[in-house]
Amino acid sequence: EIVLTQSPGTLSLSPGERATLSCRASQSVNSIYLAWYQQKPGQAPRLLIYGASNRATGIPDRFSGSGSGTDFTLTISRLEPEDFAVYYCQQYVSSPRTFGQGTKLEIK
Amino acid sequence: EVQLVQSGAELKKPGESLKISCKFHGNTFSTSWIGWVRQMPGKGLEWMGFIYPGDSDTRYNPSFRGQVTLSADKSIDTAYLQWSSLGASDNAMYFCVRLAPGSGTSSYFESWGQGTLVTVSS
Repeated sequence: EIVLTQSPGTLSLSPGERATLSCRASQSVNSIYLAWYQQKPGQAPRLLIYGASNRATGIPDRFSGSGSGTDFTLTISRLEPEDFAVYYCQQYVSSPRTFGQGTKLEIK
Repeated sequence: EVQLVQSGAELKKPGESLKISCKFHGNTFSTSWIGWVRQMPGKGLEWMGFIYPGDSDTRYNPSFRGQVTLSADKSIDTAYLQWSSLGASDNAMYFCVRLAPGSGTSSYFESWGQGTLVTVSS
């Protein structure tokens, strides 16, 4: 099983700042099989990024993804108030499909 | 655009059975992989399994195999998740998802249902 470890667990930032979220895999993941999701309280998760760096439909360009092998990053260039949420990475090539434990992005 | 609409919240007793549903709105139900994801209270996301309604091909996370059953009814574009005997550990929110087409089960979770809250309490 591929274990995804996200860091930090909680990130406290202010609107307008840059957020950098990390996802590290226990074994190499082909980047085309790495996704990021956003979940706000009381809502279903929403797809943000697939294939490590491709934004999903309707996702603002302040969201970007990068990485390869075992290290992946989600960057939010300038935080908007609606970006404060929990973010999960996921690999979708190996069974079982696995998610990271999440990074909570909170307002400082 | 695909929309997934799940059945409402359930309150059940330990040992009871349950079947929750996920109605697919779109034209490609039979050729879509549908999955289920568990989220226990205050916790992260866990993939449970996939089903291909076209031929009912089913793939389970080993952690959930034997604990739940996935099924689908092509005639009404609906997928199901069921338990034969609920336990306290089944208290969770359950989401259905549709995988992006084109890569079989090696695809990201493109669309999500709104979730069904299952509460098991005596």
